Amino acid sequence: DADVTQTPRNRITKTGKRIMLECSQTKGHDRMYWYRQDPGLGLRLIYYSFDVKDINKGEISDGYSVSRQAQAKFSLSLESAIPNQTALYFCATSPRAGYQPQHFGDGTRLSIL
Amino acid sequence: QKEVEQNSGPLSVPEGAIASLNCTYSDRVSQSFFWYRQYSGKSPELIMSIYSNGDKEDGRFTAQLNKASQYVSLLIRDSQPSDSATYLCAVNMDYGGSQGNLIFGKGTKLSVKP
Repeated sequence: DADVTQTPRNRITKTGKRIMLECSQTKGHDRMYWYRQDPGLGLRLIYYSFDVKDINKGEISDGYSVSRQAQAKFSLSLESAIPNQTALYFCATSPRAGYQPQHFGDGTRLSIL
Repeated sequence: QKEVEQNSGPLSVPEGAIASLNCTYSDRVSQSFFWYRQYSGKSPELIMSIYSNGDKEDGRFTAQLNKASQYVSLLIRDSQPSDSATYLCAVNMDYGGSQGNLIFGKGTKLSVKP
């Protein structure tokens, strides 16, 4: 089983819909991250959380919100989806100690029509 | 502005050759450096970590770090077609007051021709 699990793996939806992407992990890591990846733009950080009560905005948080339900669960919501949020979304985790590598889930391919 | 720069490629090498991938970063006090491999449509996979100046070898992969020049590289010896992927350089930098977030380069696409 994957250490970092993202659901759904693929989603097609319409403009204006609310969407939730979920991430769960069995690695026991405290830090969790949400990224989006677009061709030519690389990985961009949306939100990150160092523990359940510590949630921070990344470089592109507008139009997104997150919830850290437990140490192992971190959800990303698009309150009212728009077509330019079509992208590949990744969840990642890392240990509490700083300067460690991140480990990625398999990603969610999201298309907004 | 925290930045990690990579040539986008594509870098094309023949099978069996050495592929050399390069990365520069802007934050002089960065502590740790990583290379990820990403196949098309898949998630980034960690292949190398390096924390100290010099070379670190793992199988066919060698990471090289020069903090004075703010430069990190990845060498792939005896390149195979299965090495064809995009390689992401990632550097830990303090970000928004939080210690040790990763800044990713946009990646170099490597193509190994049989």
